[in-house]
Amino acid sequence: DVKVTQSSRYLVKRTGEKVFLECVQDMDHENMFWYRQDPGLGLRLIYFSYDVKMKEKGDIPEGYSVSREKKERFSLILESASTNQTSMYLCASSLLSGGILSGANVLTFGAGSRLTVL
Amino acid sequence: QQQVKQSPQSLIVQKGGISIINCAYENTAFDYFPWYQQFPGKGPALLIAIRPDVSEKKEGRFTISFNKSAKQFSLHIMDSQPGDSATYFCAASMGYIPTFGRGTSLIVHP
Repeated sequence: DVKVTQSSRYLVKRTGEKVFLECVQDMDHENMFWYRQDPGLGLRLIYFSYDVKMKEKGDIPEGYSVSREKKERFSLILESASTNQTSMYLCASSLLSGGILSGANVLTFGAGSRLTVL
Repeated sequence: QQQVKQSPQSLIVQKGGISIINCAYENTAFDYFPWYQQFPGKGPALLIAIRPDVSEKKEGRFTISFNKSAKQFSLHIMDSQPGDSATYFCAASMGYIPTFGRGTSLIVHP
């Protein structure tokens, strides 16, 4: 019954490496999100996408980029990983519209990818 | 600027007690207020949500109380159980992008 799948649960990378975090959803959702979760800081939005090839910056986009070539797949890219990017990364998806009763506004999250940058 | 302020950061409750988590928001244009529950090793999942046209919503042991004039809302967990031990996030949204509070780590002791 898995609906949002993040390909890597745990990654260890070195400073300066390029890192790809992959996310796939099977609910035909238009919206996809990447959040970063740190203790005491909650969930901070990095990027989101409301359509294929469309992307919008969130609150903390610096040091990250994203790619959405297919509706079901949303990738987060760290061009040159740094130690301050050590974190839990959460992918989520939701319907674009349709009102509350349709489930729009409800985010479905993946299990997360814990990245350690040494 | 933190648009959704959540407190407390951590909470310890005895089994059978009432857990209360509070959130306050700034933007009066927010029109949807969900709570998400996150167990260790899992992503957050929607627990319960409310719209500003009602003052309370109850689902089982979980109740949201909403005070529009004060711009505050809270989650009450009645008869708290050890299985409720998790991190809870409040959120507020306008459109399809929620703004999350910083989370509350709840521990319910047996």
